[in-house]
Amino acid sequence: SQQGEEDPQALSIQEGENATMNCSYKTSINNLQWYRQNSGRGLVHLILIRSNEREKHSGRLRVTLDTSKKSSSLLITASRAADTASYFCAKIQGAQKLVFGQGTRLTINP
Amino acid sequence: DAGVIQSPRHEVTEMGQEVTLRCKPISGHNSLFWYRQTMMRGLELLIYFNNNVPIDDSGMPEDRFSAKMPNASFSTLKIQPSEPRDSAVYFCASSFQGRGRTNEKLFFGSGTQLSVL
Repeated sequence: SQQGEEDPQALSIQEGENATMNCSYKTSINNLQWYRQNSGRGLVHLILIRSNEREKHSGRLRVTLDTSKKSSSLLITASRAADTASYFCAKIQGAQKLVFGQGTRLTINP
Repeated sequence: DAGVIQSPRHEVTEMGQEVTLRCKPISGHNSLFWYRQTMMRGLELLIYFNNNVPIDDSGMPEDRFSAKMPNASFSTLKIQPSEPRDSAVYFCASSFQGRGRTNEKLFFGSGTQLSVL
């Protein structure tokens, strides 16, 4: 079974606005990862945040992790049309099983 | 590096036929994962290998599915016999899992779009 889900399931915003996606999980983690999937393509790794980290940045991406609430968020600032994709968080189940949520479908309107 | 290579890119077959999906992981990676993606069930982990050994196949739907990794550079996922409900996109991913560095990021292939008629 999947550990937690992304929220919202779908998000539509105007170009230039910020997009925030959330992810919850149920058991303790070593790290949590965010991936992007463009339509018809494989997933691409964006950011990995470890359990002892609270915030991490990569370009226009900012990921936060709150282990007390068992949640993470992905913020995309100054969104662009090219950011239109599905975004997934991935958590560990067991030793090495990386389990993905259902994802957030992000649409950036020009 | 060419990344994770999957073949074929698309496969259309008739119910009852055998289907073989292939994957070449990134050179130097020691873990390989097979996922299946559908609209209804999202991304499901089917099986994963570490150092060519199957570690967890609990996600394999049933005996019709089998996976092998004869060497570090090649893996197959076989469905025999195939059924319409097997229609999905099948992804292969690889990573390097080292001592103290478990669960590092996965690199995905482009997937195989399987349609069973």
